[in-house]
Amino acid sequence: SQQGEEDPQALSIQEGENATMNCSYKTSINNLQWYRQNSGRGLVHLILIRSNEREKHSGRLRVTLDTSKKSSSLLITASRAADTASYFCATDDQGGKLIFGQGTELSVKP
Amino acid sequence: EAQVTQNPRYLITVTGKKLTVTCSQNMNHEYMSWYRQDPGLGLRQIYYSMNVEVTDKGDVPEGYKVSRKEKRNFPLILESPSPNQTSLYFCASSQGWRETQYFGPGTRLLVL
Repeated sequence: SQQGEEDPQALSIQEGENATMNCSYKTSINNLQWYRQNSGRGLVHLILIRSNEREKHSGRLRVTLDTSKKSSSLLITASRAADTASYFCATDDQGGKLIFGQGTELSVKP
Repeated sequence: EAQVTQNPRYLITVTGKKLTVTCSQNMNHEYMSWYRQDPGLGLRQIYYSMNVEVTDKGDVPEGYKVSRKEKRNFPLILESPSPNQTSLYFCASSQGWRETQYFGPGTRLLVL
């Protein structure tokens, strides 16, 4: 089955810096979604980008999608300590499944 | 308040003792699914349901059962739990399967 794979697996930055996470997948998709998870809690939806979109913004978040490379990136600008969390991308297959990647652990140090 | 609830939140059990984890959503969503989360493996989908009485296997369905008799409920059943089912379980729902997923708070299961 296809899989979203995040890169890097872990990222440590200082407050105020930008954080970029990448996601790659294997087969064609309709939507790609990004989620955040605070330690052991339920995932919270951040952004959904459709296959015919190239870029989407939400506050300090910017998501890009390159369907030719089967990849997406999530940029968090001016990061804060509260952004410390795990970030996951999720892609859909053609039959009803959602595939989540293994996640990127982001640590933002004050 | 729109939400997905799961019960219990924590459960310790022994090998072979049947258990059910309940999941309920109050958003009239059609799509519901179960995931397990293990260190280093991310979230893996166990089962999903497109609508009432329609369920399908995800990537790791072995050892699990589900049912969808009502739109709002989607229980996860472990008929004979084994230690390799020790995990963090999440239920999620959405209006359409490709749309924003709303996750429950999670259920931590330990099978001894």
